[in-house]
Amino acid sequence: EAGVVQSPRYKIIEKKQPVAFWCNPISGHNTLYWYLQNLGQGPELLIRYENEEAVDDSQLPKDRFSAERLKGVDSTLKIQPAELGDSAVYLCASSLVAGSGANVLTFGAGSRLTVL
Amino acid sequence: AQTVTQSQPEMSVQEAETVTLSCTYDTSESDYYLFWYKQPPSRQMILVIRQEAYKQQNATENRFSVNFQKAAKSFSLKISDSQLGDAAMYFCAYRSGKSSGDKLTFGTGTRLAVRP
Repeated sequence: EAGVVQSPRYKIIEKKQPVAFWCNPISGHNTLYWYLQNLGQGPELLIRYENEEAVDDSQLPKDRFSAERLKGVDSTLKIQPAELGDSAVYLCASSLVAGSGANVLTFGAGSRLTVL
Repeated sequence: AQTVTQSQPEMSVQEAETVTLSCTYDTSESDYYLFWYKQPPSRQMILVIRQEAYKQQNATENRFSVNFQKAAKSFSLKISDSQLGDAAMYFCAYRSGKSSGDKLTFGTGTRLAVRP
């Protein structure tokens, strides 16, 4: 079974340009997460989806970041326009039904963004 | 809000020896879960071990074990018979036991080097 798939693995753009990251979760996982990981730091949650509904987007900078999860499967995270401080790794994770015991998150390999 | 603290930015261990990584957390909740994740250079976060707060017995997974001290809010990871493949960043993470608290809060990580 394939794990959580993310693309692209690496992206280099100039500031003010748009960028998009794609995530395909594990089949059957209803919950999908986008995390931001700055260099030398632990991941921080940006947004959590339960099926196609964003149930926690309190940490998502909505002026430039947007996300969608159409049909409750794949998800896309977009930044427009990108700023220098957006350089980081964007991790996607998925899990079975939220709130079910020791719900375990499975992570993808992440997308590393460099903004010049 | 819950916080997770890892006070050791870097640790080093000789191959085949034992090393302990420290983690403390702050919470007012009584029901929660704790995790250790490993992040190798490939960037993919891999679950190492998890502990349910309501369980008194410390979790073990092969060479990995934890020392869970609920009153002290401490959750250390012990790696026995260290192997070269154990070299990675290790993150301690907290998850609330509430059904609505389905996000992981991570510490800043400990980089583990294994000397041959």
